[in-house]
Order: sequence, then C-alpha cells, then structure tokens
Amino acid sequence: GAVVSQHPSRVICKSGTSVKIECRSLDFQATTMFWYRQFPKQSLMLMATSNEGSKATYEQGVEKDKFLINHASLTLSTLTVTSAHPEDSSFYICSASGLATFYNEQFFGPGTRLTVL
Amino acid sequence: SQQGEEDPQALSIQEGENATMNCSYKTSINNLQWYRQNSGRGLVHLILIRSNEREKHSGRLRVTLDTSKKSSSLLITASRAADTASYFCATGGNSGGSNYKLTFGKGTLLTVNP
Repeated sequence: GAVVSQHPSRVICKSGTSVKIECRSLDFQATTMFWYRQFPKQSLMLMATSNEGSKATYEQGVEKDKFLINHASLTLSTLTVTSAHPEDSSFYICSASGLATFYNEQFFGPGTRLTVL
Repeated sequence: SQQGEEDPQALSIQEGENATMNCSYKTSINNLQWYRQNSGRGLVHLILIRSNEREKHSGRLRVTLDTSKKSSSLLITASRAADTASYFCATGGNSGGSNYKLTFGKGTLLTVNP
C-alpha cells in the first residue's frame, strides 16, 4: 500500500516555457503533500508543503510565483515551474502523508527529471 | 551545518560485509527515519525509530538512536550488490500530524562490490 506516482518521469523543455508535474497518491488520501528538489549528488531540499484545499507553504528562498503548487484534491498535487530556466534543471520529488498513514511517515514518488535547455 | 548529517559521505565494501552509516542532528526530534535512494530514483522508506526507542531491527537492517549524543546509526548486515544506493537520514521536530516536515541529511553513497 501507500503508493505515490509522479508524471512525467522526465521532461525536457525550452527556456521560458512552463512545465507541470503531477503527484498522485494512488491508494490513500493525502492530506499533505511535500515537494522537494534534489541537485546531482546532493540531498533533498524541501520546497513547499501543501495541504488539500489550502495554499501551499513555501520554504525560505523558494519563489512561490515561480513554483506554483496546487493541491486540489486528496489524491493530486501539481507543481508548475513557470518560465523555466536552465538553473531550474533538477530532480523534483513529491511525497505524500495522510491521517490514515503511519504517524509522520511520508511516501515518496519516483521523481521527475527536469532539463531546461 | 545542516540538520541530519551522515558520515561517511561515501562507503565502498565487498559483498557479504557489514556497512555502518552514521547520522548526527542538532535539534530535538520526535523521530528519525532512514531512507534509501537508488540512482535517479525516488526514496524508499527503510525504518523509523522514535525518540524513546534505542534500537530497532528490520530484516538485515539495524538502527540505533542515541538522543543524548543526537546521533543514529544504520547497520546493514551481510550486504549485497543490490544494496548499492544512497542512504539518507531524516529528522523532524516535535509536532505531529501529517503536516510534519522532514529535514534530510546529505546522505551516504554506499557501493557494494560483488
């Protein structure tokens, strides 16, 4: 149980375009979803926390107008990278947590590799 | 320095040997979790140890927690080539619920040579 999917797994886009990444909890209701980014050979850095039906909470230094997060349902959150630039190229990982899951446990998606040309 | 720092940064061993990775943290925690990440993939949850626990086992994994020293260790016994991955510890604060944020360490890259 507790499966989280991400789509797409890889995306290549031109500089200036916007890219949407989906994160879905397949077999549980995710009251909270988290978005991380990870640069090569580095750790995961939390970007934002989103609760279903409310605005996301962004970590310090993360531009909310650049990284739009929507958590419209208990099974879906989306991250839109607007006007992407090469420095936005990274591995984006979502995780999901819910009241029905084990206390404090987050379940991670497989990640999305974004390359901005 | 960052909450949840692992050492060593890289570890290379032979198949069958044991691998030990350590994690140190700075603030008080509710629990500490270990995750594995294969190259270019998502994270897999390995084990969670609560702040009132000292040791926990899961298959070939053994985790210890010393809250007085603010440190944890992950031991993988009888390692296999398939254990090759990056291992991260993650800590969180004292608030509970699903809104609970994790802070990840920098990770240990484990290579198990066949």
